[in-house]
Amino acid sequence: GENVEQHPSTLSVQEGDSAVIKCTYSDSASNYFPWYKQELGKRPQLIIDIRSNVGEKKDQRIAVTLNKTAKHFSLHITETQPEDSAVYFCAAKTSGTYKYIFGTGTRLKVLA
Amino acid sequence: EADIYQTPRYLVIGTGKKITLECSQTMGHDKMYWYQQDPGMELHLIHYSYGVNSTEKGDLSSESTVSRIRTEHFPLTLESARPSHTSQYLCASSDWSLTNSPLHFGNGTRLTVT
Repeated sequence: GENVEQHPSTLSVQEGDSAVIKCTYSDSASNYFPWYKQELGKRPQLIIDIRSNVGEKKDQRIAVTLNKTAKHFSLHITETQPEDSAVYFCAAKTSGTYKYIFGTGTRLKVLA
Repeated sequence: EADIYQTPRYLVIGTGKKITLECSQTMGHDKMYWYQQDPGMELHLIHYSYGVNSTEKGDLSSESTVSRIRTEHFPLTLESARPSHTSQYLCASSDWSLTNSPLHFGNGTRLTVT
């Protein structure tokens, strides 16, 4: 069945450094890729998303890149801050279907 | 403010009790979902709904049931709670009429069955 692999499962970076989280999807028909941030005890919140007709999207310190040929997409966080510490989930969805396929999550810790 | 609301936020209940977790959204979304998540861990889809009177089971086998009598309301019921049901339950909704259709999550219900 469809799946999304997410790496790494945990990531520690020094404040100010960059963090990169990678996801690979299996369904070549997937065309929508959201990223969620979940802080401790809180709900997952959408932080950025990208559609398959776009290769890259940026929003301040956060960017997402998509390689359709290789079927992978990545989240890039620059100039990390302690408040970036959270669990990040990637997901893939195919137009017209109900299912969002989630990755297994990456626990990011930004060390002050 | 348009949002998705879940009650109760926390629930501690004894084995064998029947419980209903409430979920309501004021965003007018037609698609609604229930996920089970141990804190900070994977999200497992247990139920979803395309619209009123439409409900389906998700990927994770669950002993719970859902109903969708009104667009905004999607309650989840456990007929007989067991300790294995202890987890966090997240309700979500989305609007497929948008080009980008992210899931919007509620704050969750953290259930403990003793």
